[in-house]
Amino acid sequence: EVQLVQSGAELKKPGESLKISCKGSGYSFTTYWIAWVRQMPGKGLEWMGIIYPGDSDTRYSPSFQGQVTISADKSINTAYLQWSSLKAADTAMYYCARPTIMGGFDAFDIWGQGTMVTVSA
Amino acid sequence: EIVLTQSPGTLSFSPGERATLSCRASQSVRSSYLAWYQQKPGQAPRLLIYGASSRATGIPDRFSGSGSGTDFALTISRLEPEDFAVYYCQQYGSSPWTFGQGTKVEIK
Repeated sequence: EVQLVQSGAELKKPGESLKISCKGSGYSFTTYWIAWVRQMPGKGLEWMGIIYPGDSDTRYSPSFQGQVTISADKSINTAYLQWSSLKAADTAMYYCARPTIMGGFDAFDIWGQGTMVTVSA
Repeated sequence: EIVLTQSPGTLSFSPGERATLSCRASQSVRSSYLAWYQQKPGQAPRLLIYGASSRATGIPDRFSGSGSGTDFALTISRLEPEDFAVYYCQQYGSSPWTFGQGTKVEIK
C-alpha cells in the first residue's frame, strides 16, 4: 500500500525550532516529488513548497521562502519541514502530499494524515 | 501567481440535488492542470478530479469536472449524504501551485 505517514502533533513555544517528518512507503520514494501544504485553523489549503528526494531539488512558494526549510533523506524515505524560530502564526495542520505521476508535477493523490503544530507561550 | 476564486463560499442543497461549484483563475491555467479535492472535518483532502476533467481512482461517476482556460467547474450530479464537505480547486500548471479558498457544500 502506498502511504505517507507523518510525525505526531507538536506543542512548542514561540522562538523554538521544530522539524516534522513525512515517511513514504509502498513506492519508489526517490522518483516522486513530495509537497508540503499548510492549513491554518478553520482556513483553506496553502501550497508551501515541494522537493524531489532523488536529488533534493526544492521549490518554495514565495509566501514561505525563507520562513521554512524543506529537506529529504532518501536513505530512510523521509521528507522534512523545519522552522528555526516558530511564531504563533505557524499554528496549523501541515500535510505532506505526493503527485499522481512519477517524476512530474501533478495533482496530489496520496496525502499524509497531517501533523498539527501548535505554537503557544 | 495564479489566484483561484471559488464562489460562493457556501452552497446549500438537499440530498439528491445537482450541485455545480465554480473555480475562476486570474490567468489561464496551463494545459488544464486543474484539480478538485474534497475535505471532510478532521480528514486530509481527497483527490477527486485532475486535468480538469479526469476522475481519480475510485471516485464515483456522479463527480465530474469541466472547463479550460480560466473557468472551471465541479459538478455532483446527485448529492449523497457523504458528499457534504468542503471542496477546493488547485492549479498545478504554474509555480507557485495555488488553491482556491474552498466552497462548503452544506445540507439545506
